[in-house]
Amino acid sequence: AQTVTQSQPEMSVQEAETVTLSCTYDTSESDYYLFWYKQPPSRQMILVIRQEAYKQQNATENRFSVNFQKAAKSFSLKISDSQLGDAAMYFCAYRSRDDKIIFGKGTRLHILP
Amino acid sequence: NAGVTQTPKFRILKIGQSMTLQCTQDMNHNYMYWYRQDPGMGLKLIYYSVGAGITDKGEVPNGYNVSRSTTEDFPLRLELAAPSQTSVYFCASSYFRDREIPTNEKLFFGSGTQLSVL
Repeated sequence: AQTVTQSQPEMSVQEAETVTLSCTYDTSESDYYLFWYKQPPSRQMILVIRQEAYKQQNATENRFSVNFQKAAKSFSLKISDSQLGDAAMYFCAYRSRDDKIIFGKGTRLHILP
Repeated sequence: NAGVTQTPKFRILKIGQSMTLQCTQDMNHNYMYWYRQDPGMGLKLIYYSVGAGITDKGEVPNGYNVSRSTTEDFPLRLELAAPSQTSVYFCASSYFRDREIPTNEKLFFGSGTQLSVL
């Protein structure tokens, strides 16, 4: 079975600085999708970014980008120019070939003014 | 466009009681999922469905049942509630066509149901 591991329970970053959140996963599949979701205090889940495993190019969405290392099974999220509104729980997620979508335990990100 | 609607928002159950958490989506999504989120933890997949009439177990299915008789509805049934089932439950849906066809697939989540079993 696939697993998703986020090894950083909490992180803090100064406003306007850059922070990287780590995610590793374990799988024997070659075809899958990876996601980062954000959960602010409102509890609503928001998609931040997605990556198809067959694409070598790292996905980017404005201030958010990923470093996808398929061989290392690593999928880190970089947030540039951190803003107060970025404070939230961030979850890494994996979509398998049998259509399960599983999540890591999350990283709580604090933005320091 | 309501999106994914979950009812109720809050519920307190006594040990051994049963209940159904309702989930409806109006986006004609083929995939639907049930997750539970324990305090300070990630989401654990309970059950999921890839279309009407098809359901499958996730990571933590014990103590739960689901059905998918229509595209829109995906209720989650708790039989004989236990304190270990105290959690926030999220329903989510997505449209996923084919791995060969690129999509901008993402999960649309409901607002959650806070369930306490006492």
